[in-house]
Amino acid sequence: QVQLQQSGAELVKPGSSVKISCKASGYTFTSYDMHWIKQQPGNGLEWIGWIYPGNGNTKYNQKFNGKATLTADKSSSTAYMQLSSLTSEDSAVYFCARDWELGYFDFWGPGTMVTVSS
Amino acid sequence: IQLTQSPSLLSASVGDRVTLSCKGSQNINNYLAWYQQKLGEAPKLLIYNTNSLQTGIPSRFSGSGSGTDYTLTISSLQPEDVATYFCYQYNNGLTFGSGTKLEIK
Repeated sequence: QVQLQQSGAELVKPGSSVKISCKASGYTFTSYDMHWIKQQPGNGLEWIGWIYPGNGNTKYNQKFNGKATLTADKSSSTAYMQLSSLTSEDSAVYFCARDWELGYFDFWGPGTMVTVSS
Repeated sequence: IQLTQSPSLLSASVGDRVTLSCKGSQNINNYLAWYQQKLGEAPKLLIYNTNSLQTGIPSRFSGSGSGTDYTLTISSLQPEDVATYFCYQYNNGLTFGSGTKLEIK
């Protein structure tokens, strides 16, 4: 069955970077876009960007240009998102979600909580 | 495209017919999906392309709409439907509504 396994919660200091992972199984990793979505406590959902693991193509929400960097490792079927220059505004739960290039996400990972605090 | 959901909080009784609204700032051309998010969980896809029911989702959930106005209907509310519901458009950019929190009266 399809599984998206995300890395564990992170507590990081302001100004630092963090890299979170999303390991896919149960489907052909290179055939689906992988999206990343941000959810701040009590708030709604915000799309960050996507990567197509088949060729590494990416697209970002302009708001996250320079903040998020998406990569993928085909050999381990794992997608990564690095967040840089962290501030308290980056404290959130981050989800990975797959998309068969249809525009909507049919399966989500459980989320990774990132807390930015000194 | 901005999405406005209403109401932000809805309280209803088990067995009620419930209607949630999502309005876009521009034409969405039916590229609209609905997600259910239970507390502490990831969102789950319920409806895509306005009215297509995702595999495994109970038939009490249905979607409708066109242009800028869309609706999610639960025909008979069940206790397990307590959740926040988000609409999501993929016609022009990718954006979510702010959600409707559904609780049992």
